[in-house]
Amino acid sequence: EAGVAQSPRYKIIEKRQSVAFWCNPISGHATLYWYQQILGQGPKLLIQFQNNGVVDDSQLPKDRFSAERLKGVDSTLKIQPAKLEDSAVYLCASSPWGSDNEQFFGPGTRLTVL
Amino acid sequence: GDSVTQMEGPVTLSEEAFLTINCTYTATGYPSLFWYVQYPGEGLQLLLKATKADDKGSNKGFEATYRKETTSFHLEKGSVQVSDSAVYFCALSQNAGGTSYGKLTFGQGTILTVHP
Repeated sequence: EAGVAQSPRYKIIEKRQSVAFWCNPISGHATLYWYQQILGQGPKLLIQFQNNGVVDDSQLPKDRFSAERLKGVDSTLKIQPAKLEDSAVYLCASSPWGSDNEQFFGPGTRLTVL
Repeated sequence: GDSVTQMEGPVTLSEEAFLTINCTYTATGYPSLFWYVQYPGEGLQLLLKATKADDKGSNKGFEATYRKETTSFHLEKGSVQVSDSAVYFCALSQNAGGTSYGKLTFGQGTILTVHP
C-alpha cells in the first residue's frame, strides 16, 4: 500500500514570497491533516479535512495560510506572503474515519524562509 | 485546552540499558494516547497506542500504560539498541463525540541516542 506522498521535500524562499505544498493521502482515507513542526517542537495541527470539508482550522493563520481539498483526495497548503517564522517542516497525515485516530504521516516538506 | 508534556531531553544511553521517557497530559474526558517515533530522515510513525485507562500499548519491545489517576503514559523499553536512536513524541487525541475529534496534540519530543 502506498503511503502519504508530499512534494516538494525541500523549499527555500525569501520572505514575502508565496509557496505551495501538495499532499496525496493514502487511498480511501477520508480524513486529511496538515501539521506544522517547528524545529525542536512537536507538530501542531493547522487544518483538518473530512473528505472535502473543513473540520478544524482554528489554528490556521488565515491571513496568510490557505488550504483546499477540492475533490476529497489530494490537498494543497499555501502560504502567501511567507514570514521568517514560517520556517518549519509541514507534515501531511491521513486516516480512515473512526480508526481510533491512528494517523499515517508523509515525509514532510522542509520550508526555509530567508 | 489539551496539552502533553514530555521529559526534558535529549536522552543518551548505552546499548542494552533500560529506557524510560516520561509523558503526562492534561485533557478533558477520556482521550486516546499515542507514542510516535521519527527515525533520522524518515516521517513520523505510530509506535504504540492505548485507547482507555489501564490499557497497555506495546510494540517492538516498547511499552506504555495509560494511567488516568496520574494522567501519564510513560514509554519504557527494557534493553535499547542503537537502532532505537530517534525522536519520540507522546500525543493524545480526543475520542468521537468531541469537537476536536481526530486532531493529535503532541508533546515537544525527546531525542534518544543509543551508543554501542
